Amino acid sequence: AQSVAQPEDQVNVAEGNPLTVKCTYSVSGNPYLFWYVQYPNRGLQFLLKYITGDNLVKGSYGFEAEFNKSQTSFHLKKPSALVSDSALYFCAVRDRVSGGYNKLIFGAGTRLAVHP
Amino acid sequence: DVKVTQSSRYLVKRTGEKVFLECVQDMDHENMFWYRQDPGLGLRLIYFSYDVKMKEKGDIPEGYSVSREKKERFSLILESASTNQTSMYLCASLGGRSSYEQYFGPGTRLTVT
Repeated sequence: AQSVAQPEDQVNVAEGNPLTVKCTYSVSGNPYLFWYVQYPNRGLQFLLKYITGDNLVKGSYGFEAEFNKSQTSFHLKKPSALVSDSALYFCAVRDRVSGGYNKLIFGAGTRLAVHP
Repeated sequence: DVKVTQSSRYLVKRTGEKVFLECVQDMDHENMFWYRQDPGLGLRLIYFSYDVKMKEKGDIPEGYSVSREKKERFSLILESASTNQTSMYLCASLGGRSSYEQYFGPGTRLTVT
């Protein structure tokens, strides 16, 4: 079965410092990986995805993620954190269902706190 | 922009009540999903639908049912609400088979007392 793990419940970073939010995956076949962000009292917003190609994927709001097949990881990164980046971040992996449609399996989420 | 709306942001119901959560999307998407979000558990899929009148059980369907009479609308029904169904409920939509990005509504925070 497809799964993702986010090993950290919370990540604390000072504003201006680089940030990393970790995600590891377990899949059969080629992984389709995603990052979503949830700001307080809001639904989830798509940040970026890896389907194939370049291991470094760029997304919204200056975020990027690095796909590492040997380490089965897909860590989210940003070179310089902003206080406004404080939110809940979810890693997800695609799972195929009957009819050839896609659904997502989500990790437990990591809360990012950026301090001024 | 895709817009997914949910009928209520906050809802308080009593144990045993029948509860309807409504979700509407405006992008003619084929697939729609209902999740519940609980701290430390992430998002768990309750039900999904890949066409009108079609539904599939997700990972935690017990205690829930769904209805999709029109393409744009996907309803989640709690037949007899219980306190362990207190949670945040998120609806999402997705295009066809070649689509991967799900679009989420703002969520409904349901409290069952």
